Amino acid sequence: DTAVSQTPKYLVTQMGNDKSIKCEQNLGHDTMYWYKQDSKKFLKIMFSYNNKELIINETVPNRFSPKSPDKAHLNLHINSLELGDSAVYFCASSQDSPTSGQETQYFGPGTRLLVL
Amino acid sequence: QQQVKQSPQSLIVQKGGISIINCAYENTAFDYFPWYQQFPGKGPALLIAIRPDVSEKKEGRFTISFNKSAKQFSLHIMDSQPGDSATYFCAASEFWGATNKLIFGTGTLLAVQP
Repeated sequence: DTAVSQTPKYLVTQMGNDKSIKCEQNLGHDTMYWYKQDSKKFLKIMFSYNNKELIINETVPNRFSPKSPDKAHLNLHINSLELGDSAVYFCASSQDSPTSGQETQYFGPGTRLLVL
Repeated sequence: QQQVKQSPQSLIVQKGGISIINCAYENTAFDYFPWYQQFPGKGPALLIAIRPDVSEKKEGRFTISFNKSAKQFSLHIMDSQPGDSATYFCAASEFWGATNKLIFGTGTLLAVQP
């Protein structure tokens, strides 16, 4: 019973292609995130959604389009893939509240994207 | 600019020794400081976290020391074990709309030699 799951685990594709990564959480959280981890292991937030509403969009190229069909799912679609998009993409979720303060973000296992 | 600076980049410690990783931040709006542990091929997982109203938090062998005036915090791993070998990330967070925005440090690769 994985808390945050991502598919696929590995993705190898050619430059210019369009691909999607799916994420699902079964923790009942309201907030989901996408992070990018580059080859130097630097981890950077890309997007966050709260109750299906986009909250954070960190100057990500508009080739990246997140979609949240419901609170438990946050997918990432990438158009016209470039070499520089090669990275590990992590989905995460948390249950945040201004009254309870910061809550733990639970990360998925990652999707390793290689653009050739 | 790098809002959370982390050092060292890599660290080798003997089994039973103390591992120390340091972080510094600039944004005084940060109000939550977690440390994440990441094993190869896995996602980061929360190890321990602290809020700025306390100067130290200890959980088992892991301790966070926090210096609000210096805007610095550090992770101490006592009695380091080979199983602690992983990449450690400090982070700082502020509440952003309805979510929390985590800014990560650059990571420290820890190797504990048996």
